[in-house]
Amino acid sequence: AQSVSQHNHHVILSEAASLELGCNYSYGGTVNLFWYVQYPGQHLQLLLKYFSGDPLVKGIKGFEAEFIKSKFSFNLRKPSVQWSDTAEYFCAVRSQAGTALIFGKGTTLSVSS
Amino acid sequence: DTGVSQDPRHKITKRGQNVTFRCDPISEHNRLYWYRQTLGQGPEFLTYFQNEAQLEKSRLLSDRFSAERPKGSFSTLEIQRTEQGDSAMYLCASSSGGSYNEQFFGPGTRLTVL
Repeated sequence: AQSVSQHNHHVILSEAASLELGCNYSYGGTVNLFWYVQYPGQHLQLLLKYFSGDPLVKGIKGFEAEFIKSKFSFNLRKPSVQWSDTAEYFCAVRSQAGTALIFGKGTTLSVSS
Repeated sequence: DTGVSQDPRHKITKRGQNVTFRCDPISEHNRLYWYRQTLGQGPEFLTYFQNEAQLEKSRLLSDRFSAERPKGSFSTLEIQRTEQGDSAMYLCASSSGGSYNEQFFGPGTRLTVL
């Protein structure tokens, strides 16, 4: 069965610090990969996605993620975080033939100004 | 607002009661998903519809749970004989057809079973 591991439960950063959130998945076949974000009081929304092609994908609000197939990883990065990035971040995987998203447990990011 | 909507946003019920939640997807989306999220966890898949057909169900969806999408538009999720373990956020998402389409999530219905 597919699963997703997010290594960091809670990350606390100061503004302008760099961010990297880890995500590893277990599935041997071709996958689609996603990062979703949930700002306080808001819906889950898509930050970025990877289906194929360039393993470095760019999303909204300056976020990017790199798919490393050999490591089954899809880590999220941002060079300089802002207070407004305070949110919960979820990594998700979907098998290419599947429909359901399999989510990790999420990482809470707190950014202090 | 043309996003996914869910009703009610909050529901408090007593153990043993039945509850029903509604989801209205984005109008042109033919795929609809239900997920459940408990504290400290990511969303967990429950079931999926393509138009009015329920094509996939998770093992999490016990016999007490039933979902419908009668006309391929809105969907309902009913939980019969609720248990305290059913307390969770129930999320609905929709997407258009095709393999490369994003799922758009609604605000969720928070269920508390006393």
